[in-house]
Amino acid sequence: GAVVSQHPSRVICKSGTSVKIECRSLDFQATTMFWYRQFPKQSLMLMATSNEGSKATYEQGVEKDKFLINHASLTLSTLTVTSAHPEDSSFYICSARVDGHGYTFGSGTRLTVV
Amino acid sequence: GQNIDQPTEMTATEGAIVQINCTYQTSGFNGLFWYQQHAGEAPTFLSYNVLDGLEEKGRFSSFLSRSKGYSYLLLKELQMKDSASYLCALRRDSSYKLIFGSGTRLLVRP
Repeated sequence: GAVVSQHPSRVICKSGTSVKIECRSLDFQATTMFWYRQFPKQSLMLMATSNEGSKATYEQGVEKDKFLINHASLTLSTLTVTSAHPEDSSFYICSARVDGHGYTFGSGTRLTVV
Repeated sequence: GQNIDQPTEMTATEGAIVQINCTYQTSGFNGLFWYQQHAGEAPTFLSYNVLDGLEEKGRFSSFLSRSKGYSYLLLKELQMKDSASYLCALRRDSSYKLIFGSGTRLLVRP
């Protein structure tokens, strides 16, 4: 089946630094990738939608200059958290549409900003 | 916009049946999904409804009423491993965005 590989699974970074999260579609072409953030005991909140070769579409309230999304190829989408702060600590997860009505999710990235 | 409501927590007994409800309001509807999520892991697909009625898949069934903006997930023969969060998610029209409800944490007790 369609698999999305997400890396890193865990990352700890210092406040003020940037962190890049990668999602790769291994056996299919991901035209569209969705990026979610999940705080403890909360549900997944959609941050943005990225389409290969075009600018990402951000949900209301999400800072596009802080959360940089790049979808330069059909198999790779990246999310860069710039100038990270402790309040950015969260679980970030990507999801790609697959044939039919389904979606496949990455395994998630636990970001801790200290 | 859309609004998706689920109970925050539920508790049930091993071997029993539990029904998790989801009510929604949306300006565009293109399918409703149920996912299971264990803490720190990716969501796992359980079911998909786009037409009214009941979809059954093993121990899991999902029901949809589009006119009422209502869905439920039915879990039968509960097992301890079913303790998890259950997420109701709407797909909106042509954008294919998947918008998640707040999730229901289910605790299965012996």
